Amino acid sequence: GDSVTQMEGPVTLSEEAFLTINCTYTATGYPSLFWYVQYPGEGLQLLLKATKADDKGSNKGFEATYRKETTSFHLEKGSVQVSDSAVYFCALSARNTGNQFYFGTGTSLTVIP
Amino acid sequence: DAGVIQSPRHEVTEMGQEVTLRCKPISGHNSLFWYRQTMMRGLELLIYFNNNVPIDDSGMPEDRFSAKMPNASFSTLKIQPSEPRDSAVYFCASSPPGLAGVDTQYFGPGTRLTVL
Repeated sequence: GDSVTQMEGPVTLSEEAFLTINCTYTATGYPSLFWYVQYPGEGLQLLLKATKADDKGSNKGFEATYRKETTSFHLEKGSVQVSDSAVYFCALSARNTGNQFYFGTGTSLTVIP
Repeated sequence: DAGVIQSPRHEVTEMGQEVTLRCKPISGHNSLFWYRQTMMRGLELLIYFNNNVPIDDSGMPEDRFSAKMPNASFSTLKIQPSEPRDSAVYFCASSPPGLAGVDTQYFGPGTRLTVL
């Protein structure tokens, strides 16, 4: 069945460091891919998305490119800030499963000054 | 615009009591999802509705859990009787109509349930 596997955390980085959180997926159809972010005590918020191969989603300095050949959607940011400390979830939604989303287990990021 | 609204935000109850969690989706959205989040199990989909009809409830842990969506603007998740292992944060999310698999899910702030 459809699933998402993402890099286990926790990840701790210094401010202005480069961030990569790996995400790979398994899907029988043509999924849309998402990154959600959860700040402490809050619900999940959409960070970015890509709906077809080679699309790049971007928001707030974060980027992810939909790579069909490697079934990946890695999240990157060139220079993290303390305010980026949160839990990041990779997710997919495939047409052949209706509107159902499949979420990864989440990766906790802590950025220290 | 109002987002997904959940109530209560926090609930503390004793084992054996009935608990009802409430959700109001974003107006115009036709899909609604209930999730449970715990440290041990992460984010789990419990049930989802499309046009007020339950589509997949395979994630509902057991018969103590039930969910209803009597109309497009309201849903409830009920636990009866509640047990300490039900302690978790419960999220409601909704998504708009459109091509299946493309639309974004919008999450509410969650209800933190503690069962003593």
